[in-house]
Amino acid sequence: AQSVTQLDSQVPVFEEAPVELRCNYSSSVSVYLFWYVQYPNQGLQLLLKYLSGSTLVKGINGFEAEFNKSQTSFHLRKPSVHISDTAEYFCAVSPPDRGSTLGRLYFGRGTQLTVWP
Amino acid sequence: EAQVTQNPRYLITVTGKKLTVTCSQNMNHEYMSWYRQDPGLGLRQIYYSMNVEVTDKGDVPEGYKVSRKEKRNFPLILESPSPNQTSLYFCASSLSRLRANEQFFGPGTRLTVL
Repeated sequence: AQSVTQLDSQVPVFEEAPVELRCNYSSSVSVYLFWYVQYPNQGLQLLLKYLSGSTLVKGINGFEAEFNKSQTSFHLRKPSVHISDTAEYFCAVSPPDRGSTLGRLYFGRGTQLTVWP
Repeated sequence: EAQVTQNPRYLITVTGKKLTVTCSQNMNHEYMSWYRQDPGLGLRQIYYSMNVEVTDKGDVPEGYKVSRKEKRNFPLILESPSPNQTSLYFCASSLSRLRANEQFFGPGTRLTVL
């Protein structure tokens, strides 16, 4: 199975500060990468995804992520956070479509971002 | 409105009492799956379905059953729930099994087994 590591379980920041949420994955083959956000008492929704092409991916709500193949990382960034960004963020990996991994999505353990006024 | 719905949203039950959590999507999606979310563990896939009458096990299928008799519905069945199945459950759907497709998630069902 794929392994997805989110290095920080909790990230507290003050409003308007920049933030980076880290994600590393283990794979020697090409994968698709996703970031999902879960607001309190809600399901997950897609923030952004990397399939191919430019390594800098822009998503909703001002978030962006950079794919780094050599470091097998896909860190999420926002230059200035708002209180409304308080949520849990999940990095996910989709391996190549073959055999038992067909259509599968593997999640990291999540990072709780808390934005303080 | 395009959505994935789950019912019930909250459920408290006792060990051994069979229960079903329903999941329905109105987007004509082929691919549906069930996840459980536990603190510090993220989301783990229980079962998935690539289309009607096609289901397969995910990473944590023990103690669960599913069926896919219609394209829109994908119920999760716990024949004999146990306390270790206390968790937050999410149903998700996507257009097809192609890995590029976004998965759309339901609002979640919080299950407590006493």
